Amino acid sequence: NAGVTQTPKFQVLKTGQSMTLQCAQDMNHNSMYWYRQDPGMGLRLIYYSASEGTTDKGEVPNGYNVSRLNKREFSLRLESAAPSQTSVYFCASSEALGGTPNEKLFFGSGTQLSVL
Amino acid sequence: GESVGLHLPTLSVQEGDNSIINCAYSNSASDYFIWYKQESGKGPQFIIDIRSNMDKRQGQRVTVLLNKTVKHLSLQIAATQPGDSAVYFCAENRGTGFQKLVFGTGTRLLVSP
Repeated sequence: NAGVTQTPKFQVLKTGQSMTLQCAQDMNHNSMYWYRQDPGMGLRLIYYSASEGTTDKGEVPNGYNVSRLNKREFSLRLESAAPSQTSVYFCASSEALGGTPNEKLFFGSGTQLSVL
Repeated sequence: GESVGLHLPTLSVQEGDNSIINCAYSNSASDYFIWYKQESGKGPQFIIDIRSNMDKRQGQRVTVLLNKTVKHLSLQIAATQPGDSAVYFCAENRGTGFQKLVFGTGTRLLVSP
């Protein structure tokens, strides 16, 4: 049971390039999330998907798009990367339908992204 | 503004000691709190959670205490081991209908043999 799997683990981009971060979970969870983690700051929510077929903005959505491809997969796309998007990105999932409050998240191991 | 914060950025203890990691929160409406452990190069790992209708909850070697009067949360680790060395985050859930965890910046726990 792999849990939450993210690819790639590391990526270096030039300003203006695009890329997609992949995330898949094998726990049959309904809700999925993308966070970014920056030094000296807590994890911040970028986008989330409360159920298959729905996506919503989180705290810091600008510059990102997401796709809930199916129940297992939730991808994050940077259309035109900027140095401010240098960060560690974490995908997470939770069991409840609708992202019910009071429920723990399961995280992937992260993608370290550098934008030059 | 409201925030989730930590009293100490780094805590150094000896193996076998008990560790206490503290967290302050300011949103009195938050009703759910979680502690996560993050080892270097890995994603956060759930440790323990507590709802606001509880003052204390125990897990395996860990205890979370919630003091709603002073808006304070603590994580106690008994008989700390080198494998406990990591960054520990508290988070409060301010969500209303969707998951909205607000994470603190973390406390690094260093355990010396």
